[in-house]
Amino acid sequence: DAGVIQSPRHEVTEMGQEVTLRCKPISGHNSLFWYRQTMMRGLELLIYFNNNVPIDDSGMPEDRFSAKMPNASFSTLKIQPSEPRDSAVYFCASRDQLAGLTDTQYFGPGTRLTVL
Amino acid sequence: AQSVSQHNHHVILSEAASLELGCNYSYGGTVNLFWYVQYPGQHLQLLLKYFSGDPLVKGIKGFEAEFIKSKFSFNLRKPSVQWSDTAEYFCAVKGNNRLAFGKGNQVVVIP
Repeated sequence: DAGVIQSPRHEVTEMGQEVTLRCKPISGHNSLFWYRQTMMRGLELLIYFNNNVPIDDSGMPEDRFSAKMPNASFSTLKIQPSEPRDSAVYFCASRDQLAGLTDTQYFGPGTRLTVL
Repeated sequence: AQSVSQHNHHVILSEAASLELGCNYSYGGTVNLFWYVQYPGQHLQLLLKYFSGDPLVKGIKGFEAEFIKSKFSFNLRKPSVQWSDTAEYFCAVKGNNRLAFGKGNQVVVIP
């Protein structure tokens, strides 16, 4: 199993540009999570999906952020326009919601975003 | 919503020393508890988890954690650390279908 795959691993962009982060969850997992990690705020849940449907997006900081999950094997997190304060590591995680007691999230390697 | 507190954000210790990282949470209902580890430059990996049963949980690499319900705590321990244990450690609590993370403990083990 390849685990959760994220791309790109590193992204450097200028303020005002659109940024798209991509995630491929573990095959068979039906829940997907987007997190942001910063020194100041630690790990924050941005949004999560169950069966491709957004369930809780209360962590999305503002309208500049949007996330989609068009199918069970792909999700995107888009920031438009990007700002320097968006600089962080963005993690995607997936979980087999129906696995009962194993209820564990598996994390991808993260995308380190730097907005200049 | 649940919250998680980790104290002593930075910990520096020598090899063979014992490590204990505190984790306290606030949530009145049933919780699932996790410790994740993030090695330098790598992603989060599950170290151990508690769902039910024996409150003393054994994880990988010699780590263990004890769930004390009355204290709302899930402290992580390792009796003798190695240089390779240098990492950031995150406690996480799942209640009400959301996983909340603490801010992490940066642990540096000096050879």
